[in-house]
Amino acid sequence: NAGVTQTPKFQVLKTGQSMTLQCAQDMNHNSMYWYRQDPGMGLRLIYYSASEGTTDKGEVPNGYNVSRLNKREFSLRLESAAPSQTSVYFCASSEAGGLGQPQHFGDGTRLSIL
Amino acid sequence: QKEVEQDPGPLSVPEGAIVSLNCTYSNSAFQYFMWYRQYSRKGPELLMYTYSSGNKEDGRFTAQVDKSSKYISLFIRDSQPSDSATYLCAIGSSSASKIIFGSGTRLSIRP
Repeated sequence: NAGVTQTPKFQVLKTGQSMTLQCAQDMNHNSMYWYRQDPGMGLRLIYYSASEGTTDKGEVPNGYNVSRLNKREFSLRLESAAPSQTSVYFCASSEAGGLGQPQHFGDGTRLSIL
Repeated sequence: QKEVEQDPGPLSVPEGAIVSLNCTYSNSAFQYFMWYRQYSRKGPELLMYTYSSGNKEDGRFTAQVDKSSKYISLFIRDSQPSDSATYLCAIGSSSASKIIFGSGTRLSIRP
């Protein structure tokens, strides 16, 4: 009963390095999401994919790109990491298409940019 | 004004007490009202949600929505130390394609 699985769990990068965070869900959900969670800022949506083949920007998309590889997988890429991207990144999924529905979260990737 | 307001706490209560967690919201266009529990160094876990209005009960947990007051509540009966976590409320609208999370309330249950 895995739900939403994120890899890696921890990562340290140097400024300017690139990195792809992986996410996979086994609940046959249509929609997938990427958030970052920072102290005092709460959860902020980076990008989402309402259905396979579509992606849309969220509240804080700058510096990130996403790929909806198939119905199960949704990756987040940092092309040139910056210290401001130090955060905990969560992937989530929901059954029906579109933002606004109850979502199920993974356990996060803790990313530090030096 | 934030669209969802949630008291950050921390809230500390003795084991066995009834806990009341609350959020207020400003926009009446939302249909989904959700509660998440987040343990330290874990992802938010969907506890329960209601659609439109009314109450929902699941074991020791009860979620209430008062749309006229724009107020949502989560009650925990017979609280246990294992309930110690941060609780986030969230409101969502499929038609507006929007979801907003509260900032979370830290809850501690003292044995």
